Amino acid sequence: QVQLQQWGAGLLKPSETLSLTCAVYGGSFSGYYWTWIRQPPGKGLEWVSYISKITSIISYADSVQGRFTISRDNAKNSLYLQMNSLRDEDTAVYFCARDGGRSYDMDVWGQGTTVTVSS
Amino acid sequence: QSALTQPASVSGSPGQSVTISCTGTSSDVGGYDFVSWYQHHPDKAPKLIIYGVNKRPSGVSNRFSGSKSTNTASLTISGLLTEDEATYYCTSYATYTTLVFGGGTKLTVL
Repeated sequence: QVQLQQWGAGLLKPSETLSLTCAVYGGSFSGYYWTWIRQPPGKGLEWVSYISKITSIISYADSVQGRFTISRDNAKNSLYLQMNSLRDEDTAVYFCARDGGRSYDMDVWGQGTTVTVSS
Repeated sequence: QSALTQPASVSGSPGQSVTISCTGTSSDVGGYDFVSWYQHHPDKAPKLIIYGVNKRPSGVSNRFSGSKSTNTASLTISGLLTEDEATYYCTSYATYTTLVFGGGTKLTVL
């Protein structure tokens, strides 16, 4: 059964940089698209970014465009999110999730990792 | 990338049915049959319960059903159980390979 393990949580100051990792165990990684989703404290889920199987398609939410970079390493079964120029409003629990390959649905989720940005 | 519109809260008694709406535009909900619904309990990972507007993943109860009319998708939960108490989110594919979530609906089972 596929499992996602996330790490990279942190407490950072505005303008700093953090990288999140999502490692996939027990299932195919290269055969799927992957996404990052976040949930700010007390708020709803927000889609962050999306990457296709061979990185031919990458997209970002307007709120992170130009600051965040999604990437993947199929050899390491891992998904990454490089977050630059962090802002207070980037404070959230970040989830990685697998696109089920049917209708842009996310059928497997990581446990979430907390990123706090505060001066 | 405007969020889809969901009611903030709904409630029902055990055994009853509730319906949660999710309203978007022709650029997202109305333009594609790529609406999904997620159940989210606090401090847990969200769980996919409906994909492709009205399809259930394996293992999801048939008490959950989805539909869509023009720019509004709906999730119906029948035979409410106390364990259904959670926050429910819709999401839709939108133009330029983006995804958009609804604001979430907190379901209270009275």
